[in-house]
Order: sequence, then structure tokens, then C-alpha cells
Amino acid sequence: GAVVSQHPSRVICKSGTSVKIECRSLDFQATTMFWYRQFPKQSLMLMATSNEGSKATYEQGVEKDKFLINHASLTLSTLTVTSAHPEDSSFYICSARVDSIYYGYTFGSGTRLTVV
Amino acid sequence: KQEVTQIPAALSVPEGENLVLNCSFTDSAIYNLQWFRQDPGKGLTSLLLIQSSQREQTSGRLNASLDKSSGRSTLYIAASQPGDSATYLCAGFDSWGKLQFGAGTQVVVTP
Repeated sequence: GAVVSQHPSRVICKSGTSVKIECRSLDFQATTMFWYRQFPKQSLMLMATSNEGSKATYEQGVEKDKFLINHASLTLSTLTVTSAHPEDSSFYICSARVDSIYYGYTFGSGTRLTVV
Repeated sequence: KQEVTQIPAALSVPEGENLVLNCSFTDSAIYNLQWFRQDPGKGLTSLLLIQSSQREQTSGRLNASLDKSSGRSTLYIAASQPGDSATYLCAGFDSWGKLQFGAGTQVVVTP
């Protein structure tokens, strides 16, 4: 149980275009989802917290207009990288809290974004 | 701000040896701690979750301990196998539920 499905797993896009990444909770409702970014050989950095039905909360230094987050339902959160540039190339991972903090977090399989 | 450190950064052992991975955190007010495994180019797989009131958790060959007073958690993997090769991440979370990750320990188990 507690599976988070993330799509696509890999995407290559041209500089200046936008890319949407989806994160779905398959067998539970996730009122809160989290988006992370991971550079090679580094740990995960939290980008933003996505709450169903309200605006996302962004971490310091993360551009809200570049990384648009939508959490329109209890099972779906999306991250759109707008006007992508090569420096946005990274590994993006979503996560959801299972029920409450007592049960920990489950993660998606990640999306490798390459901007050319 | 909670800071999480993992030592060693990398570890290589022959198959069959036991693995000991260390995680330390600066804020003893840590709520829960979770250990994850990450394979190259993949997402995170949860291994063990230690809740704030617990001292350890066990699952198969894995055992994780938590000592909040000393700010440490240790993950033990018994009788390592080549399939255990991965990066292991620990993450502490506060009462708000915000995760803070360590940089990870990259493990290689050689046949």
C-alpha cells in the first residue's frame, strides 16, 4: 500500500518550453505532497510543499513562477517547469505523507529532466 | 534548523559482511526518523520508520536504532548481499512533518 506514481520517468525538452510532471497517490489520499530536486551525487532538496486546494508553499530560493505547483485533488499534484533552461536539468522527486507523520513518507520514482 | 549528517559517505564491503551506517542530527527535538534506499536514477524506497517514542525498528536483515539524546541513528544490515548495493539516506522530521535529509551513504557490496 501507499504507492505514489510519478510520470514521466524521463523527459527531454527544448530550452524555453514547459514540462509538466505528475505525481499521483494510487491507494490513499494525500492532502499534502512534497516536491524535491536532486543533483548528481547530492541529497534531496525540498522545493515546495503542495496542499490540496490551496497554494503551494515554496522553500527559500525557489522561483514560484518557474516551478508551478498544482494540487487540485487529493490524489494528484503536478509540477510544471516553465520556460525551462539547461540549468533546470535535474532529477525531480515527489513525496506524499501517508495519513499522518506517524506513518512516514512514500516517494515517487522520480523524473529525470534534461533541457537541451 | 535541523542538520543531518551521514557517515561514511561511501562504503565498500565483501558479500556477507555486516553493514553499519550512521546518521547524526543536530536537533534532538526530531520527531520521527526514516531510512530510505535509493538505486541509481530511481526514487526512494522506504526501509524503516522509527517513531519518536521508539528506540529501534527491525525488518528482516535490517535494524535501525534511534537515540534522540545523543542525536544518532544507526542502520545495521546483516549478512550483506550484492543486491544491497545502493545509496542509503536517513531523514529526520520535525513535528510539522518537514523532512531533512542527510547526504547519503553509497554502499557497494562485492561478490
